[in-house]
Amino acid sequence: GAGVSQSPRYKVTKRGQDVALRCDPISGHVSLYWYRQALGQGPEFLTYFNYEAQQDKSGLPNDRFSAERPEGSISTLTIQRTEQRDSAMYRCASSQRRTVKTGTSASPDTQYFGPGTRLTVL
Amino acid sequence: GENVEQHPSTLSVQEGDSAVIKCTYSDSASNYFPWYKQELGKRPQLIIDIRSNVGEKKDQRIAVTLNKTAKHFSLHITETQPEDSAVYFCAAAKYNNNDMRFGAGTRLTVKP
Repeated sequence: GAGVSQSPRYKVTKRGQDVALRCDPISGHVSLYWYRQALGQGPEFLTYFNYEAQQDKSGLPNDRFSAERPEGSISTLTIQRTEQRDSAMYRCASSQRRTVKTGTSASPDTQYFGPGTRLTVL
Repeated sequence: GENVEQHPSTLSVQEGDSAVIKCTYSDSASNYFPWYKQELGKRPQLIIDIRSNVGEKKDQRIAVTLNKTAKHFSLHITETQPEDSAVYFCAAAKYNNNDMRFGAGTRLTVKP
């Protein structure tokens, strides 16, 4: 089936402009995650949702960053008043369930990544 | 919070040899450890994952081992092939706190 999709794939904007990045998770996936990946580094957690509820936004760098998932499916990551340091690859991921139960323990479900949006702030 | 360290940052092996990448984590409550392979310009792809109820998991040429006491886990690739060349990332997460933390990555080069 279709994987996680993101749009736009590339976004070039001028400093001070707002940008909105979209993530379309795998159909039926409960959890959705946003990451930022700098060149040559691992993904850095930003925030995540279970259904429409934002569970943890501790990774958002500052209050210019926000995310929503109003209907529990598509999500939008918004960056207001962009700065050059915001330039990066922004990736989302989704997982089918919140947790997987094995025996008596529960652990997070597998996350599948989207292709990312390359944001360049001039 | 969780801190994941990954070594080595680069690894070069001859085709057919084995490759081992090691990661350590700091939060003893972490119980899910995936490994992702990322080829140049592409998205991270899950190649194997392990949950803390087992100590080892194998899938063809790839295996992962987990030592909960020492808080480290390793990726083993046997009979390496040129197409295994990529950046590999380890990660750690725990129940009810799904903010997965990634290692810095290992660039693996398999020379033909």
